[in-house]
Amino acid sequence: EAGVTQFPSHSVIEKGQTVTLRCDPISGHDNLYWYRRVMGKEIKFLLHFVKESKQDESGMPNNRFLAERTGGTYSTLKVQPAELEDSGVYFCASSQDLGQPQHFGDGTRLSIL
Amino acid sequence: GNSVTQMEGPVTLSEEAFLTINCTYTATGYPSLFWYVQYPGEGLQLLLKATKADDKGSNKGFEATYRKETTSFHLEKGSVQVSDSAVYFCALRSGAGSYQLTFGKGTKLSVIP
Repeated sequence: EAGVTQFPSHSVIEKGQTVTLRCDPISGHDNLYWYRRVMGKEIKFLLHFVKESKQDESGMPNNRFLAERTGGTYSTLKVQPAELEDSGVYFCASSQDLGQPQHFGDGTRLSIL
Repeated sequence: GNSVTQMEGPVTLSEEAFLTINCTYTATGYPSLFWYVQYPGEGLQLLLKATKADDKGSNKGFEATYRKETTSFHLEKGSVQVSDSAVYFCALRSGAGSYQLTFGKGTKLSVIP
């Protein structure tokens, strides 16, 4: 079984540009989560999809971040425009059912210059 | 709100030494507790979990017991190996209608031969 896959593994962009991160969950997993870890801080929850619907987006920092999961399969997280404080590692996780353990991808390291 | 506090690292141990990484939490209700591990260059992997008071999670020689009276979930291993070198994260899921994970800052463990 393939695990959670994230693209790209590393992205370097300039402040003010746009970046889109992608996450492919484990096949059949309805629940998809985004987290991020900025330098020196805890891993923080961003949002949770159940299929294509946003179940909980309480962790989204501001309206520069847009997450989508059209069709309930893969998800994208777009940052527009990127700011310096957005640098960090963005993790995606998925679980089959609510309450089941979350399986994480390797993360996307985002560097804003 | 929910929070997780774990001992600051880095921790350096000799091979076959005893390991303890402390973790305490604050949460509403009856959370589920987790330890995740991140090996160099990889994503987060679930190491073990416990879902109710006095449960003991175990995996790969690691153990942690859910102690409600002390709100703790300390990670232990009797004899560490070089291959255990990684960053360890304590996390909780409150389950009170929310499925997001709340993480500690992580503890980097280095095991030397």
